[in-house]
Order: sequence, then structure tokens, then C-alpha cells
Amino acid sequence: GAGVSQSPRYKVAKRGQDVALRCDPISGHVSLFWYQQALGQGPEFLTYFQNEAQLDKSGLPSDRFFAERPEGSVSTLKIQRTQQEDSAVYLCASSLWTVMSSGNTIYFGEGSWLTVV
Amino acid sequence: GQQLNQSPQSMFIQEGEDVSMNCTSSSIFNTWLWYKQDPGEGPILLIALYKAGELTSNGRLTAQFGITRKDSFLNISASIPSDVGIYFCAGHPLRDSNYQLIWGAGTKLIIKP
Repeated sequence: GAGVSQSPRYKVAKRGQDVALRCDPISGHVSLFWYQQALGQGPEFLTYFQNEAQLDKSGLPSDRFFAERPEGSVSTLKIQRTQQEDSAVYLCASSLWTVMSSGNTIYFGEGSWLTVV
Repeated sequence: GQQLNQSPQSMFIQEGEDVSMNCTSSSIFNTWLWYKQDPGEGPILLIALYKAGELTSNGRLTAQFGITRKDSFLNISASIPSDVGIYFCAGHPLRDSNYQLIWGAGTKLIIKP
């Protein structure tokens, strides 16, 4: 597709359930980001991939959160033993290059809306 | 986590009015970005600023990168109904990685009927 695609768009999980959120970045984009956005807030950084390498996972809130991008394209964010505080929109974004400079736009997907009940 | 100070939190305006919002930080930023997010959608980039003092326009939108590198503003002229949404500022702090974006809490724009 032409843009960043995320699935599922909406997920309701029971507390304690594991969830997996998928991101298909724009083809050929080297950089891939995951952000978490709580209701009424701006996004907060979770993790960054350069191709298949996870260069920064400093924003992952706990060891229940795990992200991978094994072949340098599709990425999966996995949340184990979900808790109510995990309820948020999870945004994936990609950009063509690694350096944030003029012309290197970050494109966001529509997000995966997770509700933990 | 760290966030930018974005104001106002919300704005109620009449169609046709001009709009102004801004973001400030206690630290220096080397990039300022302005995004718009509609309900149920991801953020869409409106304007990107890479140099202190830079003034850039995109149609009715104008944004500036503050000289101190600690602030930015976004102006919307002659607002129309489709301008409704949440506007976010975001940026890269100079001292941090050049890929991790720090975000404001957003300015919600509402047009009075």
C-alpha cells in the first residue's frame, strides 16, 4: 500500500491476555517507530528500528512489551499479560532514511486502538 | 515522559478567524514539526522546521522555528470547518537522538457554529 498500515485497528483484550499489533511500513523505509498515545495526550516514544536492528527500546514501559522487525520490513509489537493501563492507541511510523533532516518525513499509520477490560 | 508545553489546550473560534498556537521547551530543539490528528486517524505532518528563525508556509498555515530554538508557533489564517482537529507540535531535542520525537499535549481546535 501507499501508506503505513496497522492491524488490527481495534482490539479489546481481557486483562492478562497477550496481544500482538502489526505494522506494515511504507516499502523501502529504513526507519520504523512505535509510539503510544493515551487519550487526550500526545504520542510517547516506545522503540525505534533501523532496518531489522532495534536501536532504541528505552520507551518500552515494562518487560511485558516486546517489539521485533525480523526482516527489516513488517514489525510486531507484542504486549504480554495486558493490564488496564496498557489501554491506548499504538501508532507505528516509518521514514525513508535514518537522519531526521529536511525531506525525510515521518509517516504515521492510523493506529491500533487497544482497550483492556 | 518529557513533553513540550503546548498552548492553548483548546480553542473555540468562528469560521474565518485566524488561529495561533505555540510550543515551548526548557531545552534546545534542533527540529520542530507540526502535525494534525483527526479522530481515529494517525498524525499527519503539516510543516517541518529545521533551522532557527525559519518561517515556512503551507497554504493557510505558517509556522516558525524560534530564534532561541526553544519555541515554535503555528498560525492558521481564515479558518474553515475542515481545520477542526487536534494540532500537535513535536521536535527533536538537541542533546538526544536525532530520531526520537518529543510531543506536546495538543491543541484542540473547535469551530463555533
